[in-house]
Amino acid sequence: AQSVSQHNHHVILSEAASLELGCNYSYGGTVNLFWYVQYPGQHLQLLLKYFSGDPLVKGIKGFEAEFIKSKFSFNLRKPSVQWSDTAEYFCAVNVKGGGADGLTFGKGTHLIIQP
Amino acid sequence: GAVVSQHPSRVICKSGTSVKIECRSLDFQATTMFWYRQFPKQSLMLMATSNEGSKATYEQGVEKDKFLINHASLTLSTLTVTSAHPEDSSFYICSAGQVTYEQYFGPGTRLTVT
Repeated sequence: AQSVSQHNHHVILSEAASLELGCNYSYGGTVNLFWYVQYPGQHLQLLLKYFSGDPLVKGIKGFEAEFIKSKFSFNLRKPSVQWSDTAEYFCAVNVKGGGADGLTFGKGTHLIIQP
Repeated sequence: GAVVSQHPSRVICKSGTSVKIECRSLDFQATTMFWYRQFPKQSLMLMATSNEGSKATYEQGVEKDKFLINHASLTLSTLTVTSAHPEDSSFYICSAGQVTYEQYFGPGTRLTVT
């Protein structure tokens, strides 16, 4: 079975700082990779996803992530964060193959942006 | 597009009673829906995969007799927590898949069992 680890459980940054949130997965085969964001009181929203092709994917709100297959990593980045980026961020994977598959989530990173 | 709703958003019930949670895809048809459980300040754990017209597939450790899932149509899946106990109190979230590997999440249902 696959698993996902997010290294930073709590991150506090000042506005305009650069952000990188780590995500590593373990699985012997090919996976699809996702980053979701959960703003306070709101439901999960997809930030970006990687299925295949260019390993550098761009998502909404200026976020991007790079899939490094050799490191089993899919780190999330943003060059300059804003106060409105305060939220919980989840990395998730599912397995390529026949049929739909549920997501395996990391434990999440609580990001706080200080004005 | 791709909106998923859940009802109710919050429910409080007494120990021993059953509670039904609905998950609807509002503007698309979803052959597959998923049910997750989120504990406070923790991640989401997949409970089961719900396929329209067939039995749900439960993850290891999830009691299928306790968490009954029905996917009667392409836009509706229900999760019934039977004989609820305080340890079942949690945040239950559904998602619906339009394309096989992409899921859209509902707002969640907060269940409190007293």
